Amino acid sequence: SQQGEEDPQALSIQEGENATMNCSYKTSINNLQWYRQNSGRGLVHLILIRSNEREKHSGRLRVTLDTSKKSSSLLITASRAADTASYFCATDGETSGSRLTFGEGTQLTVNP
Amino acid sequence: ETGVTQTPRHLVMGMTNKKSLKCEQHLGHNAMYWYKQSAKKPLELMFVYNFKEQTENNSVPSRFSPECPNSSHLFLHLHTLQPEDSALYLCASSQDELVDSGANVLTFGAGSRLTVL
Repeated sequence: SQQGEEDPQALSIQEGENATMNCSYKTSINNLQWYRQNSGRGLVHLILIRSNEREKHSGRLRVTLDTSKKSSSLLITASRAADTASYFCATDGETSGSRLTFGEGTQLTVNP
Repeated sequence: ETGVTQTPRHLVMGMTNKKSLKCEQHLGHNAMYWYKQSAKKPLELMFVYNFKEQTENNSVPSRFSPECPNSSHLFLHLHTLQPEDSALYLCASSQDELVDSGANVLTFGAGSRLTVL
């Protein structure tokens, strides 16, 4: 079964609005990461949150982790057109060691 | 850009051709990965090398053959591919696959877009 699953699959917002993307996973994890991918490019690491952390910030990014619900959310505040990309969560499970399992991603479109 | 360089960026090949994808990293990392990204599907881990030793072959068909001559270079040799193998092939590297802290952060290349006719 797939580990990380993001929702929504696609999100379209106006510049300046906040964007929230969610990730659910099935098995226990050591940490959860969020990556971003611009069209036709590689993935870029954004932020990592460990299983004993509940919230983490990096610039306009805010990540939360709820291990009891096996879910995480990525909030991008004051979005910009340049934030348009696909966003993926990745988990390394207690059974898979440090191997990362990626979800299908959320396609975010920020309209100017 | 990221420290992981993939060539070629685009490749079109027939089913009987033999070609290779190349990945190079200058980050001093010891683990390198090949991922396959197809439309509407999650990234699929294909191969992992840690300190030049293959540590993962995720049931990949033998028409894909990896080679890791050193910790900085990774190749994916392709032969007799099928049209369904058309995808974006992503190379990534990390400090060490087997980190005790469990914080295995990957640095990806820009990918090689493969089209099999």
